[in-house]
Amino acid sequence: GAGVSQSPSNKVTEKGKDVELRCDPISGHTALYWYRQSLGQGLEFLIYFQGNSAPDKSGLPSDRFSAERTGGSVSTLTIQRTQQEDSAVYLCASSARLAGGPLDTQYFGPGTRLTVL
Amino acid sequence: DAKTTQPPSMDCAEGRAANLPCNHSTISGNEYVYWYRQIHSQGPQYIIHGLKNNETNEMASLIITEDRKSSTLILPHATLRDTAVYYCIVIPYNAGNMLTFGGGTRLMVKP
Repeated sequence: GAGVSQSPSNKVTEKGKDVELRCDPISGHTALYWYRQSLGQGLEFLIYFQGNSAPDKSGLPSDRFSAERTGGSVSTLTIQRTQQEDSAVYLCASSARLAGGPLDTQYFGPGTRLTVL
Repeated sequence: DAKTTQPPSMDCAEGRAANLPCNHSTISGNEYVYWYRQIHSQGPQYIIHGLKNNETNEMASLIITEDRKSSTLILPHATLRDTAVYYCIVIPYNAGNMLTFGGGTRLMVKP
């Protein structure tokens, strides 16, 4: 079946511009996660959506970062006034995890490579 | 406070079994052992997970020691496409929301 998809696959932008990154989770998955991975580094958690609950934004590095999830499906990560340190691969994952339920396997998309010049 | 320890790199001949070790000596009773891998320029890929029993699926086998302080991921017949960084992580049953990967093991499968 279809996996997690992300768009665009690559994004080059100039410092100070805003960018939007899109994630389409696996159909039926209630949980959606955003991470980023800088070159040669591990995963950095950004934000987590679970059904209609308020998102866990504890990983967002600054108020320039925001995300929304419409209709419990597609999610958009927005970075305002991009900085060079925002350059990274932004990864989206989804899982079938139920609210308050046990950990469930996360399935990742291919990522969006963001380059801020 | 790394919860797992893995060798930074390993080589394996194509067609042979790749055995990737992981130490998790401080694992708690309610923590699962998960393995993911990341092939170059791709997102992480789930491989397998287990609690205390050995597990096998179409990708790999997971052998967990009786004391649960270490485990081994086995790729029975490694191919060139298995070249990747392999991450071993421990996650509580009622975990929070995020995955955290350490350095992992860079497996190079050679012809």
